[in-house]
Amino acid sequence: EPEVTQTPSHQVTQMGQEVILRCVPISNHLYFYWYRQILGQKVEFLVSFYNNEISEKSEIFDDQFSVERPDGSNFTLKIRSTKLEDSAMYFCASSSQVNQPQHFGDGTRLSIL
Amino acid sequence: GNSVTQMEGPVTLSEEAFLTINCTYTATGYPSLFWYVQYPGEGLQLLLKATKADDKGSNKGFEATYRKETTSFHLEKGSVQVSDSAVYFCALSENSGNTPLVFGKGTRLSVIA
Repeated sequence: EPEVTQTPSHQVTQMGQEVILRCVPISNHLYFYWYRQILGQKVEFLVSFYNNEISEKSEIFDDQFSVERPDGSNFTLKIRSTKLEDSAMYFCASSSQVNQPQHFGDGTRLSIL
Repeated sequence: GNSVTQMEGPVTLSEEAFLTINCTYTATGYPSLFWYVQYPGEGLQLLLKATKADDKGSNKGFEATYRKETTSFHLEKGSVQVSDSAVYFCALSENSGNTPLVFGKGTRLSVIA
């Protein structure tokens, strides 16, 4: 069964540094998402992406965050200047059509020191 | 805004016990409802879904019925196994457009032999 893959599985970064989290969505999917889960809290929506542009974003997704689909397979989340409170598990998801279930990757655990 | 409320965990059950995890929601429209499961060290996997009132989603012995009158989507399983130990998330998404998932806080289930 096709899977969403995320790399790296764990990223440790100094505060203030830039970090790029990578995702390869399922190949025929058109809708892409990033979510995050701070330890012990609920999974929160960050941003959705379709047709090479952001469809929707949450209040969390401020100017420090950006997303990109640089080629036909990768979907990246960049945090420009990381803060301690950015430490979380970041999940990428994709879906084939509007209103179809979203399929999630295993996540990237981001630790900011 | 939309929200999902799940029963607090952790829930500890003996093998073959009956499981219920309560989930209620608040939504402005008529959402689709989902249960996702997160096994240790893995990402979120779709367990089951229901897209309209009175629909019953089922998978791997788990069931949940979309109850519009009580705005609920409780997860049930008649006989749990040790392998069901995981965190279970109730979620909703609006049925219009490419809308993000709104998650509950998750309920950790531990099944002991």
